[in-house]
Amino acid sequence: EDQVTQSPEALRLQEGESSSLNCSYTVSGLRGLFWYRQDPGKGPEFLFTLYSAGEEKEKERLKATLTKKESFLHITAPKPEDSATYLCAVQERGGNYGGSQGNLIFGKGTKLSVKP
Amino acid sequence: NAGVTQTPKFQVLKTGQSMTLQCAQDMNHNSMYWYRQDPGMGLRLIYYSASEGTTDKGEVPNGYNVSRLNKREFSLRLESAAPSQTSVYFCASNQGRSRSYEQYFGPGTRLTVT
Repeated sequence: EDQVTQSPEALRLQEGESSSLNCSYTVSGLRGLFWYRQDPGKGPEFLFTLYSAGEEKEKERLKATLTKKESFLHITAPKPEDSATYLCAVQERGGNYGGSQGNLIFGKGTKLSVKP
Repeated sequence: NAGVTQTPKFQVLKTGQSMTLQCAQDMNHNSMYWYRQDPGMGLRLIYYSASEGTTDKGEVPNGYNVSRLNKREFSLRLESAAPSQTSVYFCASNQGRSRSYEQYFGPGTRLTVT
């Protein structure tokens, strides 16, 4: 069973059409939730960290929110340059893989396409 | 400030050949990580180094070895490459403490094993 599930797998929007991406998680205790953007052929680029339910972070047209079971990445009036795959990752309290506190568990991503 | 750098960018190997992927970071981070990314599988942790002098297995360590050469450098070695190791490999680093757990990624190495 996946601990981090992102939906939808793919999302096609028209320029200016706002929408949201979802990341749900089932870890027993959340230390932090992270959003990344990945362009084709490149490494993931860090966007946001959220630590507690109710927290929100914003950057340009993106806003990330967090509840006890899921996070949303809201995209307001997207532009074609927002097209990318958006990855969500969680860090579990107590760590994993032998207790390391820095390890992240990644979802499979949402591929966003914004058409002009 | 280059962040995380990886070499090579592309590599083609024949089954059974060996190679080492190199990674370096200039952010004075304590922890470093190696991931592989396959279509439909997401990023999976191969090995990590929580601090200089330590390494540990991640989710998919079989067929790989690592060396934390110093605080800056973390290498990944394939001793006898197999077609199942065809993937994109990413190195990442983070501070590893004090609520600074976000990881910063390199540009990746695209490896094909024939």
